[in-house]
Amino acid sequence: GQNIDQPTEMTATEGAIVQINCTYQTSGFNGLFWYQQHAGEAPTFLSYNVLDGLEEKGRFSSFLSRSKGYSYLLLKELQMKDSASYLCAGKSTFGDGTTLTVKP
Amino acid sequence: EAGVAQSPRYKIIEKRQSVAFWCNPISGHATLYWYQQILGQGPKLLIQFQNNGVVDDSQLPKDRFSAERLKGVDSTLKIQPAKLEDSAVYLCASSLGGIGNSPLHFGNGTRLTVT
Repeated sequence: GQNIDQPTEMTATEGAIVQINCTYQTSGFNGLFWYQQHAGEAPTFLSYNVLDGLEEKGRFSSFLSRSKGYSYLLLKELQMKDSASYLCAGKSTFGDGTTLTVKP
Repeated sequence: EAGVAQSPRYKIIEKRQSVAFWCNPISGHATLYWYQQILGQGPKLLIQFQNNGVVDDSQLPKDRFSAERLKGVDSTLKIQPAKLEDSAVYLCASSLGGIGNSPLHFGNGTRLTVT
């Protein structure tokens, strides 16, 4: 399967911008997903990248570089409700998630 | 559209007992997944079905775990006998297809505690 690595924890301030990085093995690559998971809840889909470049969706953007096996999720104008775990995933394989804490 | 339905929401059992979880995917979703999520970790794929056929069960501990999707819709996951390390949230997810950009839609999960 795909090994997916992302930082365990990050902290940022309300209103700021944060970038969550993800690296993955490129063999068998078929697109990269980002999910958000609030504590005690199920993951929900945020974004999908299959081609290189930036995909923007409101305050959230996701970037992919297939040659480098690298992606990031960019969250702008952070809000307290953005405190959650952010999961990088291949089609069915997930990383362990990055727990983001947004502080006032 | 109705989401992925799972039951029960919570279950507490003693080790060596058996337990079963049920999942009803989103209507029309051919692919169904069962995941195990231990606290602090990402979801770990246990089994993937395409309609009523198994696509991937390489990480399913087959000596104690079993799953079926007999009519290509609902699915059940069973653990028999349970061990302490099976304490986790069991998530069911479905998607339109097995490849491409169709994301996974998750149910609320079953939180299993084995004592």
